Amino acid sequence: AQSVTQLGSHVSVSEGALVLLRCNYSSSVPPYLFWYVQYPNQGLQLLLKYTSAATLVKGINGFEAEFKKSETSFHLTKPSAHMSDAAEYFCAVSKLISSASKIIFGSGTRLSIRP
Amino acid sequence: EAGVAQSPRYKIIEKRQSVAFWCNPISGHATLYWYQQILGQGPKLLIQFQNNGVVDDSQLPKDRFSAERLKGVDSTLKIQPAKLEDSAVYLCASSWDSDRGQYFGPGTRLTVL
Repeated sequence: AQSVTQLGSHVSVSEGALVLLRCNYSSSVPPYLFWYVQYPNQGLQLLLKYTSAATLVKGINGFEAEFKKSETSFHLTKPSAHMSDAAEYFCAVSKLISSASKIIFGSGTRLSIRP
Repeated sequence: EAGVAQSPRYKIIEKRQSVAFWCNPISGHATLYWYQQILGQGPKLLIQFQNNGVVDDSQLPKDRFSAERLKGVDSTLKIQPAKLEDSAVYLCASSWDSDRGQYFGPGTRLTVL
């Protein structure tokens, strides 16, 4: 069964530092993988998605993620953190049920940015 | 392009009362989802519609929750009667198909006292 595990419920980095949010997936078939961001009191916004094309996926706001099959990982990175990046980030995997897909979300990682 | 609309944004009720939430998906999106997000957790799928048919409602507490999507467009989610543990944000999302990702509404924050 497909699922995702996000390592670290809270990550804190300094402004300008590298952001690394970890996500590992389990899937019996090549998955579709997603990263979503949720700002306070808002719904989720799609950051980027992997759909079996290029393994390095670029998203909005300078974020990117690399699909590594050998490590079953899909970590999210950004070279230089900005204060506006403070939010909750969710990794998700697409699962096929009865010919329709549904998305399974991880438990989330809260990103804090220190001035 | 208009996004996913939800109303109300906030609702406070007492336990055992009833409440209903409304969602209008992005035009043309065949798939509509209702999620429950409890504070500090990821969204949990309650029900998924493909047009006006139910694809997955395995995690919907059917003794108290119901949802419908008449005409394959708007949808309503109802809780009757509400319990304290139903306090959460209820998110609606829509997509062409979930492999392309989903578009979320702002959510309805429900507080049950």
